Amino acid sequence: NAGVTQTPKFRILKIGQSMTLQCAQDMNHNYMYWYRQDPGMGLKLIYYSVGAGITDKGEVPNGYNVSRSTTEDFPLRLELAAPSQTSVYFCASSSSRAGGSYEQYFGPGTRLTVT
Amino acid sequence: QQPVQSPQAVILREGEDAVINCSSSKALYSVHWYRQKHGEAPVFLMILLKGGEQKGHDKISASFNEKKQQSSLYLTASQLSYSGTYFCGTEIAGGTSYGKLTFGQGTILTVHP
Repeated sequence: NAGVTQTPKFRILKIGQSMTLQCAQDMNHNYMYWYRQDPGMGLKLIYYSVGAGITDKGEVPNGYNVSRSTTEDFPLRLELAAPSQTSVYFCASSSSRAGGSYEQYFGPGTRLTVT
Repeated sequence: QQPVQSPQAVILREGEDAVINCSSSKALYSVHWYRQKHGEAPVFLMILLKGGEQKGHDKISASFNEKKQQSSLYLTASQLSYSGTYFCGTEIAGGTSYGKLTFGQGTILTVHP
């Protein structure tokens, strides 16, 4: 199993540009997540999904959009990039249990710089 | 609301023990612990569920006080490989946010030879 894969690994955007961060998992997990991590800080939840077709906002959703058309894929769309979106983005997935989730498996991350 | 971790940083020599604490103001359904090395993704260590179920690595132990909404991670006989930033993630009981974790600010652990 490849686990959770993310592309690209690095990206530099100009202010106002848009892009999609790709995330895929091959573990048949119901739950998928997008986090951002600023230097020296913890993980902030952007969006999450409990299954195909179902998404919900996390703590910091402004400036981002997601979709989940399949169990495997959970792309994150950045519209009109701003310097405040410079960060490392992690995708994660987990299996579900009654009332919650089990451990999360993280992808390697995408390091995004907006200048 | 973000859980609070303490201490913010710990420096150890190999073989010494450490305890990292995580405290929440909300009633919790579970507490997760992850370790992140510099430039890498977080890696799962332990999950503690309401009701006493635990799942994690054999060499890592943790506790979950459901009444106080507090969890502690115990690192014994530390090794150089234990160095990294430790995060707790909390899952709130009830509501509709199943599977949604809120992470603490992290505890930086450094182990010296």
